[in-house]
Amino acid sequence: NAGVTQTPKFQVLKTGQSMTLQCAQDMNHEYMSWYRQDPGMGLRLIHYSVGAGITDQGEVPNGYNVSRSTTEDFPLRLLSAAPSQTSVYFCASREQGARGYTFGSGTRLTVV
Amino acid sequence: GEDVEQSLFLSVREGDSSVINCTYTDSSSTYLYWYKQEPGAGLQLLTYIFSNMDMKQDQRLTVLLNKKDKHLSLRIADTQTGDSAIYFCAESIDTGGFKTIFGAGTRLFVKA
Repeated sequence: NAGVTQTPKFQVLKTGQSMTLQCAQDMNHEYMSWYRQDPGMGLRLIHYSVGAGITDQGEVPNGYNVSRSTTEDFPLRLLSAAPSQTSVYFCASREQGARGYTFGSGTRLTVV
Repeated sequence: GEDVEQSLFLSVREGDSSVINCTYTDSSSTYLYWYKQEPGAGLQLLTYIFSNMDMKQDQRLTVLLNKKDKHLSLRIADTQTGDSAIYFCAESIDTGGFKTIFGAGTRLFVKA
């Protein structure tokens, strides 16, 4: 089925470890974003990309890196995990215009 | 800065109408959205409204926009138990529509 695929679904990290959250979409969407969801705070934008080779920072970029080498993939890297990064992470993609985002099912990350 | 606010909880009886309210601060919003999140899933776009409209109806859903008061509402007619979910209000603050700010979400409980 077409859509946004995120892996893994669950992950536990120790403080200081690094990891990459994977995101892939097969809808040929130009725009992709990473959000984190925390209780009572809605979704906050981490990084976004308007096309292959182009990325920019969102509201809460510190501690995260992204790259966009292809239209399909937009991985999110945690450089040195901290307990404050415990959250649910959503990748989303869209085409330009009013139709809104298509979201992945999320990655639940716990940093201990 | 940009901000989107909504109440955190709403409880209704099955068959009644639900009204979920949202206020936003950025007067340059282009599109406003309502997303639905069911447990363990990503967000799903329910409906959207362009900022120069004041009403949009889509089956059981009615969206009202008061641009003067920066107030958006979602009315669900004949609410069913399957409507129980978290509903997010969101606004796009750029013409491309990819920089989207989300509210914290309203958890709707539907009592049988």
